[in-house]
Amino acid sequence: AQTVTQSQPEMSVQEAETVTLSCTYDTSESDYYLFWYKQPPSRQMILVIRQEAYKQQNATENRFSVNFQKAAKSFSLKISDSQLGDAAMYFCAYRSAWGDGGTSYGKLTFGQGTILTVHP
Amino acid sequence: NAGVTQTPKFQVLKTGQSMTLQCAQDMNHEYMSWYRQDPGMGLRLIHYSVGAGITDQGEVPNGYNVSRSTTEDFPLRLLSAAPSQTSVYFCASTDRGQGAGYTFGSGTRLTVV
Repeated sequence: AQTVTQSQPEMSVQEAETVTLSCTYDTSESDYYLFWYKQPPSRQMILVIRQEAYKQQNATENRFSVNFQKAAKSFSLKISDSQLGDAAMYFCAYRSAWGDGGTSYGKLTFGQGTILTVHP
Repeated sequence: NAGVTQTPKFQVLKTGQSMTLQCAQDMNHEYMSWYRQDPGMGLRLIHYSVGAGITDQGEVPNGYNVSRSTTEDFPLRLLSAAPSQTSVYFCASTDRGQGAGYTFGSGTRLTVV
């Protein structure tokens, strides 16, 4: 079974600065997907960025980028030019590319979450 | 597109009561799942379905039942509510597209007293 670990329960950053959230995972699979989800106080789960394990290039979405280290099983999220609206809980998640008989394909395994505070 | 619709948004139950959390999606997604979110534990998978008529257990299935009679609907039933089931519940769906992220409902905050 896969596990996802976020070792930073809380992080804080000054507005306009850069912050990095850490995520490590454990898997024996070679093909999989990794995600970062944002959960603001509204409780809505919002997909921030995704990474395909077979792609070496790190994914980027505007101010959000990842540092994907497959050998180290590390998947960190960097938020540049932090804004007050970035304050939220952030979850790292893992999804298999192939399931056994197709049934585990759709499962997401989440980390414990990191609460990000942005100071003005 | 409404996406994933979850009802109700809030619910208070007494211990031993039963209820059904409703979930519907209009994106023709094959996969649907129920997660519960507890402080410090992230989201944990309760049950999931890979299509109409097919369901399976996730990480924390005890005390919950599901069924999938149509592609659109995936209700979660609490048979006899217990205080340990106090949590925030999310329904989510996804399609077979490689690497597709899930679309989540807005969540249900359930309190069992």
